[in-house]
Amino acid sequence: DVVMTQSPLSLPVTLGQPASFSCKSSQSLVSSDGTTPVHWFQQRPGQSPRRLIYRVSNRDSGVPDRFSGSGSGNDFTLEISRVEAEDVGVYYCLQTTYWPWTFGPGTKVEIK
Amino acid sequence: EVQLVETGGGLIQPGGSLRLSCPASGFTVSYNYMGWVRQAPGKGLEWVSLIHSGGTTFYADSVKGRFTISRDNSKNTLYLQMNSLRAEDTAVYYCAVEDGVYWGQGTLVTVSS
Repeated sequence: DVVMTQSPLSLPVTLGQPASFSCKSSQSLVSSDGTTPVHWFQQRPGQSPRRLIYRVSNRDSGVPDRFSGSGSGNDFTLEISRVEAEDVGVYYCLQTTYWPWTFGPGTKVEIK
Repeated sequence: EVQLVETGGGLIQPGGSLRLSCPASGFTVSYNYMGWVRQAPGKGLEWVSLIHSGGTTFYADSVKGRFTISRDNSKNTLYLQMNSLRAEDTAVYYCAVEDGVYWGQGTLVTVSS
């Protein structure tokens, strides 16, 4: 199985400051069609997960443009340009290149 | 607007069975691939099963041979039949569309005597 590793696991952030999350996979996630199906999710306390970014860098509809994704191969990053209070929660990366689809353990974001 | 509403969760004894349902609105279940994701209390996310639009099914090793994913196109509904339940199956179960573009609100399954 592909292992997704996220760091840090906990991230205290200051409102208005940037934040960055790392996700690394145990093997390259480039699919046979040339795309890299790595996605990022936000799960606010008590809510269902919500997809923010699909295929590394594409923002989902309604996602604020302060969220951006980048990366390639087996190294991916989610960035928030200026953290807002509503960004508190856990952020997960997911690979859907290989079955079983696997999530990272999550990065918990809290406000300092 | 896409809506997914999971039902069927509850308290069940070890070894028992439950069937989860996920009726969908706003899109056609048979045209998309869909799956079930679970989250044990205080833990992360685990994708346990997937069904492609063509009907091919996939299962995580942790549930293979015990869980069955299916859909009823006439009811536009996704199902998860869960047999031989174990304490470690205790989780909130979400249905999700494709690679997580839409999620339901989840239904809690508690396996305990």
